[in-house]
Amino acid sequence: TQLLEQSPQFLSIQEGENLTVYCNSSSVFSSLQWYRQEPGEGPVLLVTVVTGGEVKKLKRLTFQFGDARKDSSLHITAAQPGDTGLYLCAEPNNNAGNMLTFGGGTRLMVKP
Amino acid sequence: KAGVTQTPRYLIKTRGQQVTLSCSPISGHRSVSWYQQTPGQGLQFLFEYFSETQRNKGNFPGRFSGRQFSNSRSEMNVSTLELGDSALYLCASSLDRGDRDTQYFGPGTRLTVL
Repeated sequence: TQLLEQSPQFLSIQEGENLTVYCNSSSVFSSLQWYRQEPGEGPVLLVTVVTGGEVKKLKRLTFQFGDARKDSSLHITAAQPGDTGLYLCAEPNNNAGNMLTFGGGTRLMVKP
Repeated sequence: KAGVTQTPRYLIKTRGQQVTLSCSPISGHRSVSWYQQTPGQGLQFLFEYFSETQRNKGNFPGRFSGRQFSNSRSEMNVSTLELGDSALYLCASSLDRGDRDTQYFGPGTRLTVL
C-alpha cells in the first residue's frame, strides 16, 4: 500500500488570499481523487485526475496532476470562509474493489 | 435521492463492551465500505462489502467485523472495545460500475470509548 503525504497539515489564512496544498507519493498514482470534509460530515468528492499533466478547474479550485503522476496539487484562488474544511487526497485501488487510500489531510481555516 | 445514512450518530461505550454500527447506502448502490477516522492515523480503510460478501479488508484486528444484508444495508461490529477505538466511523456506498466509481460518504458515527 503506497503512502500519500499531504502538506501543509494546517493552514490558516484570511479571506481573499490564495493557497496551494500538495499531495505526494514515492510511487506512481493510478489516479487521484480530492475530497473536502466539513465538520460533522463525511468527505465529499471534488475531482478525480487520471492523466499526467492534467489540470481540472472547479470554480475557484484548480487541481493539477503531476506529469509523472507522483504528485498533485490543489490551488484555491481568493479563499472564502466557506472553503474552510479538511482537504484529503486519496488513491483508489481498483484492483481491490472500492478501497481508497487517504493522505493525512490539510486542515484549512479561512478567516473573514 | 437520499444520501448515505448512518446510525447512531453518536455513541459512548466503555472498555470491553461491544458495539454495532449501521449504514444504509444510497438506493441502488451495491458496494458499502467502512473507514475509521482518527486525529492520529487519519482515514483508514476497514473493509468493503459487495453482494453480501466481504470483498476487501484493511489492516485491522479481528475484533472489527462487518456484514451486508440482501438490501445492501451494512453493519460493522467492534468487540472488546479499547480506548484506541474511539473514532469517527464512516461508511461509503457506490454503484460499483467499475473503474474509479464515485463513493458517497455518510456523516459518520462518532464512537467514544471510556
